[in-house]
Amino acid sequence: GAVVSQHPSWVICKSGTSVKIECRSLDFQATTMFWYRQFPKQSLMLMATSNEGSKATYEQGVEKDKFLINHASLTLSTLTVTSAHPEDSSFYICSARADKVNLNTEAFFGQGTRLTVV
Amino acid sequence: RKEVEQDPGPFNVPEGATVAFNCTYSNSASQSFFWYRQDCRKEPKLLMSVYSSGNEDGRFTAQLNRASQYISLLIRDSKLSDSATYLCAVIRIRSGGSYIPTFGRGTSLIVHP
Repeated sequence: GAVVSQHPSWVICKSGTSVKIECRSLDFQATTMFWYRQFPKQSLMLMATSNEGSKATYEQGVEKDKFLINHASLTLSTLTVTSAHPEDSSFYICSARADKVNLNTEAFFGQGTRLTVV
Repeated sequence: RKEVEQDPGPFNVPEGATVAFNCTYSNSASQSFFWYRQDCRKEPKLLMSVYSSGNEDGRFTAQLNRASQYISLLIRDSKLSDSATYLCAVIRIRSGGSYIPTFGRGTSLIVHP
């Protein structure tokens, strides 16, 4: 299957600092990338959808000024958690799709980033 | 009511058993359906898509019931390596044309010797 690389796989940061997470599609052009957050024993919660070259669409309850998403190219999207707080500690996962039309095209996931804010 | 609901389990079964999971969805406009497998502290990996006519891939069978709004996953001849969390994913198109994937919280399966 296609490869999506997410970096870093884990990060520990101090409260109040910002953390950038990268999501790259290595062997296909991702027209759409999704960012999720997953708390222990909970479902993947969609945070936002980003399309290359346009602004991200944030889900209800997700602060766009706190979770900055940039999708500058067809192979790279970044999520920046600004002014991180301990409650932002979670598992953040991106996924990418190549096809805007076919609903049955799967999305491939990155390896996830485990963020711990201390 | 959550958009996608799954029994979290865990389902604890012996090797060789047959086990079935259900996933219900609330939005009748949902259009595509998938089952993913997620191992502990890892990303989800696609197990199979779910088609209206039902589909099978080796020991795994997926079915869709649009009238009752649920999908199912049947695993036959369970292996120890099947132990994982199984997530269902439901896709709909929001007004405006954006593709919205929603995941269930997953069902935990433990296969023991």
